[in-house]
Amino acid sequence: KAGVTQTPRYLIKTRGQQVTLSCSPISGHRSVSWYQQTPGQGLQFLFEYFSETQRNKGNFPGRFSGRQFSNSRSEMNVSTLELGDSALYLCASNSGGPNSGELFFGEGSRLTVL
Amino acid sequence: DQQVKQNSPSLSVQEGRISILNCDYTNSMFDYFLWYKKYPAEGPTFLISISSIKDKNEDGRFTVFLNKSAKHLSLHIVPSQPGDSAVYFCAASGRTGFQKLVFGTGTRLLVSP
Repeated sequence: KAGVTQTPRYLIKTRGQQVTLSCSPISGHRSVSWYQQTPGQGLQFLFEYFSETQRNKGNFPGRFSGRQFSNSRSEMNVSTLELGDSALYLCASNSGGPNSGELFFGEGSRLTVL
Repeated sequence: DQQVKQNSPSLSVQEGRISILNCDYTNSMFDYFLWYKKYPAEGPTFLISISSIKDKNEDGRFTVFLNKSAKHLSLHIVPSQPGDSAVYFCAASGRTGFQKLVFGTGTRLLVSP
């Protein structure tokens, strides 16, 4: 069974640009969550999508957005990039139910903003 | 504010000895607690979890203890192996499920032969 796949793995952008990251969950998983990992901050929850709807949201500005498609694949977008957006962005999936068990994480997309 | 805290950024242990990783939390509404392990260039992988109605959960060499009155949990690894060297994250969730986890900042464990 294929794991969570994230693309691209690495990317470099400059301030003011925007970026789109992609995540393909494990087959059969309907929930996709996004996390930002920065040094000293651990993993911080961005948002979660379930059945194409945003179900949970973290405390990030509106520059961070996402969506989910009917095949459960998800994208997240960051507009007007700032230096502080440099981080590892992790996507995770599970079945999405209340007893859905642990999250399965992808390897992440490492974004560097210059 | 940091609702889940791992106050030790790093821990060094000799192979065969016990590793104890600690985690404190402030939100009494948390219902489940989980430990994830992360190797460089890989995503976090689930290790073990514990429900707030229990005080101990064991899985092979890994045991998690929960002290609700102290809002403290710990992960014990016995015996420690060099392959256990990784960053360990403590995480907590409410009753809505594991989709929205609150993570600590991680503890880097180094197990030397």
